[in-house]
Amino acid sequence: ETGVTQTPRHLVMGMTNKKSLKCEQHLGHNAMYWYKQSAKKPLELMFVYNFKEQTENNSVPSRFSPECPNSSHLFLHLHTLQPEDSALYLCASSQDGASSYEQYFGPGTRLTVT
Amino acid sequence: GENVEQHPSTLSVQEGDSAVIKCTYSDSASNYFPWYKQELGKGPQLIIDIRSNVGEKKDQRIAVTLNKTAKHFSLHITETQPEDSAVYFCAANGLENKLVFGAGTILRVKS
Repeated sequence: ETGVTQTPRHLVMGMTNKKSLKCEQHLGHNAMYWYKQSAKKPLELMFVYNFKEQTENNSVPSRFSPECPNSSHLFLHLHTLQPEDSALYLCASSQDGASSYEQYFGPGTRLTVT
Repeated sequence: GENVEQHPSTLSVQEGDSAVIKCTYSDSASNYFPWYKQELGKGPQLIIDIRSNVGEKKDQRIAVTLNKTAKHFSLHITETQPEDSAVYFCAANGLENKLVFGAGTILRVKS
C-alpha cells in the first residue's frame, strides 16, 4: 500500500446525480493532486493543492469541484457529469508541491456516468 | 510546456528476456524523470526515478538511463518475470514542477 486511500473504489452515477470522491493520505505530505486517467491517454492533471491552497486548476469544467479541508484529505465533488467524464480518477500526494517531485498514488475511483 | 512521448505502446517479451521502454521530452529545463508501474485495479506505483545530475541509475533488475543532450530517457528491465506484466508510465517535471506523463506502455511477459 502507498499510504494513499480512495473511496469509493467504484461509482456509477447518472448525469443528474451529485456525488463526492474522497482521498486520504497517511504520509504526512502537504501537497495533494487529482488526476483523470482515460483509456489510451496520458494521465491528466486536474487540480493541485499545496498546504491546503489550490495552486492549479488545469482548465477543468466547473462540474468538478475540489475541496481540501486539511493536508490529509481531498475531495472531488461531482455534479451534472457527462458520459465522457467516465474514467479512473486518481489521487496522489507529495511532500510539497514546489520542490518535492515524488508523487504517491491511491488506487483510484472507477467512475461510470450513465 | 513540457511534452512527453513514450514508445512502444505495447511490448511483449518472453520470460527471462529484457524489456526496454523509451521516452522523449521537450523541455530542456526538466530535471526529474520518474517511472511508474500500474497493475490492474491499482494506482501507479513509483518504481525508479532519475535526476539530471546522473546518467544511469539501477535498482536490482530495473535501470533507467538519461541522455540530456538528446532529451530522452529509457527504462530497462532485465530477466523479466510474469509479475512484471503491467502498464509502465514515464514522466518529466514540467512547468512549476508539475509531472507530465507519457501515454503508457503495456508490457506483457509471456511464460
